[in-house]
Amino acid sequence: KQEVTQIPAALSVPEGENLVLNCSFTDSAIYNLQWFRQDPGKGLTSLLLIQSSQREQTSGRLNASLDKSSGRSTLYIAASQPGDSATYLCAVAEREYGNKLVFGAGTILRVKS
Amino acid sequence: DTAVSQTPKYLVTQMGNDKSIKCEQNLGHDTMYWYKQDSKKFLKIMFSYNNKELIINETVPNRFSPKSPDKAHLNLHINSLELGDSAVYFCASSQYRDRGWGNSPLHFGNGTRLTVT
Repeated sequence: KQEVTQIPAALSVPEGENLVLNCSFTDSAIYNLQWFRQDPGKGLTSLLLIQSSQREQTSGRLNASLDKSSGRSTLYIAASQPGDSATYLCAVAEREYGNKLVFGAGTILRVKS
Repeated sequence: DTAVSQTPKYLVTQMGNDKSIKCEQNLGHDTMYWYKQDSKKFLKIMFSYNNKELIINETVPNRFSPKSPDKAHLNLHINSLELGDSAVYFCASSQYRDRGWGNSPLHFGNGTRLTVT
């Protein structure tokens, strides 16, 4: 059974810092890994999707890497801003048919101005 | 324009009642999902439909019944509500492409907070 773990559970940093969020999964037979952002009372916003054949994806100040063999992914946020404060969720697509996602519990990020 | 919209946003009801949550997406996607986020914030898949066909049906009490009248709509009906059904229910959609969903991110609605008293 696939399990996804995110470390740390919460993180508080001053504005401008570069930071790394970690995600690990127990079964390397994944089809993709997705990073989402969730704001309080809102739905999830897709940030990055890394297919199983890829090593990393970049979007603006965000960079996500994937190491399938070790069951790990990291989300790197450069030059953090207060607007980046949210919960960041990692999810792996457990099987191709249906894009079934298994989620981690998330990392709550607070960026202080 | 909202891409994935759910109604209602909040739902407060008593045990034993029957209620429905509606979801619509205007992204032209052919696959829709229901996820449940419990009090510990874990998100778990419940159901998925592709072109109105049920393709994922997780271990969910049969009091929960999804219905997809067309590929843009996926509703969730819950019978005989129980206290443990209190949670936030999220609808999502994605697109089957290139012979799979491997490069298709999920788009989520803003959730329906269900409180059963």
